[in-house]
Amino acid sequence: DAKTTQPPSMDCAEGRAANLPCNHSTISGNEYVYWYRQIHSQGPQYIIHGLKNNETNEMASLIITEDRKSSTLILPHATLRDTAVYYCIVIPGANSKLTFGKGITLSVRP
Amino acid sequence: DTAVSQTPKYLVTQMGNDKSIKCEQNLGHDTMYWYKQDSKKFLKIMFSYNNKELIINETVPNRFSPKSPDKAHLNLHINSLELGDSAVYFCASSQYTDRGKTGELFFGEGSRLTVL
Repeated sequence: DAKTTQPPSMDCAEGRAANLPCNHSTISGNEYVYWYRQIHSQGPQYIIHGLKNNETNEMASLIITEDRKSSTLILPHATLRDTAVYYCIVIPGANSKLTFGKGITLSVRP
Repeated sequence: DTAVSQTPKYLVTQMGNDKSIKCEQNLGHDTMYWYKQDSKKFLKIMFSYNNKELIINETVPNRFSPKSPDKAHLNLHINSLELGDSAVYFCASSQYTDRGKTGELFFGEGSRLTVL
């Protein structure tokens, strides 16, 4: 019951912004959008989450469309260490399990 | 000063054996999880405990038995290991609030189990 769809892969040049898209057209009003990433052989790492408004933290920015049917994770200055699988996940607010899909593999090239 | 630590990191064993993986978190969180990542890299939740109480139990064989002696520990015991149990097992923790923070999980580095 995939609630999100992401392209399987993308690449970007080191130092440039990486814009990772995610579609969640069936999202409901109380569901949050979460982004995680998994660098090879490591545990998944939380990046950012949002409900309606755009969010920014030290790692990334999250842009959610006004109709909330899609979002974009932006890594403003990608580095080689950002090469990873990025997961976009939609969950209701309270006490909910995180279900990981296939994610998008981001390759940052020198 | 690892936030979520798992032991062992690698485990190689024979079919039919019983093994355990331990997990500890020092974040003061009240919820802990076990996830399994198979060879195709899909991450699936297995169990979740909140304050030592089981709250999520996905369709997992009875051979898998989680145990939470206190809210900082969640161990996974596996009986009669099978080839299909080979995977990386991740422990995670989170702190429940009513403002969406439950999706912010902190994961351990994983325990790679190989069953021969």
